[in-house]
Amino acid sequence: EVQLVESGGGVVQPGGSLRLSCVASGFTFDDYAMLWVRQVPGKGLEWVSVISGDGGGTYYADSVKGRFTVSRDNSKNSLLLQMNSLRTEDTAFYYCGKDREGRLLGGEIDYWGQGTLVIVSA
Amino acid sequence: DIRMTQSPSSVSASIGDRVTITCRASHHISNWLAWYQQKPGKAPKLLIYAASTLHTGVPSRFSGSGSGTDFTLTISSLQPEDFATYYCQQANNLPPYTFGQGTKVEIK
Repeated sequence: EVQLVESGGGVVQPGGSLRLSCVASGFTFDDYAMLWVRQVPGKGLEWVSVISGDGGGTYYADSVKGRFTVSRDNSKNSLLLQMNSLRTEDTAFYYCGKDREGRLLGGEIDYWGQGTLVIVSA
Repeated sequence: DIRMTQSPSSVSASIGDRVTITCRASHHISNWLAWYQQKPGKAPKLLIYAASTLHTGVPSRFSGSGSGTDFTLTISSLQPEDFATYYCQQANNLPPYTFGQGTKVEIK
């Protein structure tokens, strides 16, 4: 059974940093790109970032480019999102997701974590 | 970036009704289109990928169609557990794989 468990959310001041983690199980982790999607409470889904299975390829939404860094540790089946220079508009639930079919830079998400809430507030 | 536009933004329907949601892409995306269902307080779930292929375990009352820029999600006979918000997502070529704004299916 595929499981994705996020952690690391919390309250941080504007300009601060936070690191999210997602631990995966139930599939061969390094065979799949992994993605981050966020959702402001009560609003729609926003695609954030993707990292290829070997970690060599990454891509970011314009809204987070230059501030967020995605990485992975395949030896620990873990996905990370380092978030710097946080803004109030980054407040959201952050979900990690597994790419469905193994495309280099992902695509559809067939399994999602439960989400972790990040609140950026003074 | 490719923009995805869903309509309607909300729909009121009764148990047993046929419900149709549309999604339009700003650029041609072939059949690189997925549909997700999200219930309050829960993560989204994949329903359909490649525009018309049902994900594992998804009931057959859900169906998808379309290609190019125009796509449709149909629920043939609405069940109580189908009241939720539905999102389309394009997965064409390169990221970002943008989502539509969502369609909330409510009880009439």
